[in-house]
Amino acid sequence: AQTVTQSQPEMSVQEAETVTLSCTYDTSESDYYLFWYKQPPSRQMILVIRQEAYKQQNATENRFSVNFQKAAKSFSLKISDSQLGDAAMYFCAYRKIQGAQKLVFGQGTRLTINP
Amino acid sequence: NAGVTQTPKFQVLKTGQSMTLQCAQDMNHEYMSWYRQDPGMGLRLIHYSVGAGITDQGEVPNGYNVSRSTTEDFPLRLLSAAPSQTSVYFCASSSHPILASSSYEQYFGPGTRLTVT
Repeated sequence: AQTVTQSQPEMSVQEAETVTLSCTYDTSESDYYLFWYKQPPSRQMILVIRQEAYKQQNATENRFSVNFQKAAKSFSLKISDSQLGDAAMYFCAYRKIQGAQKLVFGQGTRLTINP
Repeated sequence: NAGVTQTPKFQVLKTGQSMTLQCAQDMNHEYMSWYRQDPGMGLRLIHYSVGAGITDQGEVPNGYNVSRSTTEDFPLRLLSAAPSQTSVYFCASSSHPILASSSYEQYFGPGTRLTVT
């Protein structure tokens, strides 16, 4: 079975600085999707960024980028120029390419932004 | 276009009571699912459906029932609530990956906070 591990329960960063959230996963599949979701205090799950495993290029969305290391099964999220609105729980998630779209989530990392 | 809606937003039950959490989506999505979120454990899949009339179990299905009579609705039933079912419940939907060219994002509802005393 696939598993996703986030080893940092909490992280904090100064406003305007850069922070990296870690995620590792375990799977025997060669093709899959990886995601980072943000959950602010409102509880809404918001997709931040996604990566297709067959793409070697790391995904980027504005201030958010990933470092995808397929051989190491590592998928970290880098947030540049951190803003107060980035404060939230962040979840790493995995999904197979085909079949039922079951997401497997990590435990989450609570990110605090210090002004 | 309301997206994914869930009712109620909050609910308190006594042990042994039953209730149904409602989920509806207006995006004509084939795939719908229910997750529960507990502190320190992320979201875990309870049940899912790949289309009307088709449901299957996820990682933590015990104590929950689902049915999918229409594309739009996917209710989650608690037959006899237990304190271990105190959690936040999320419904999500997505296009079918085979039929949709690039729509693999799952859209989440706002969640239902359930407390069982």
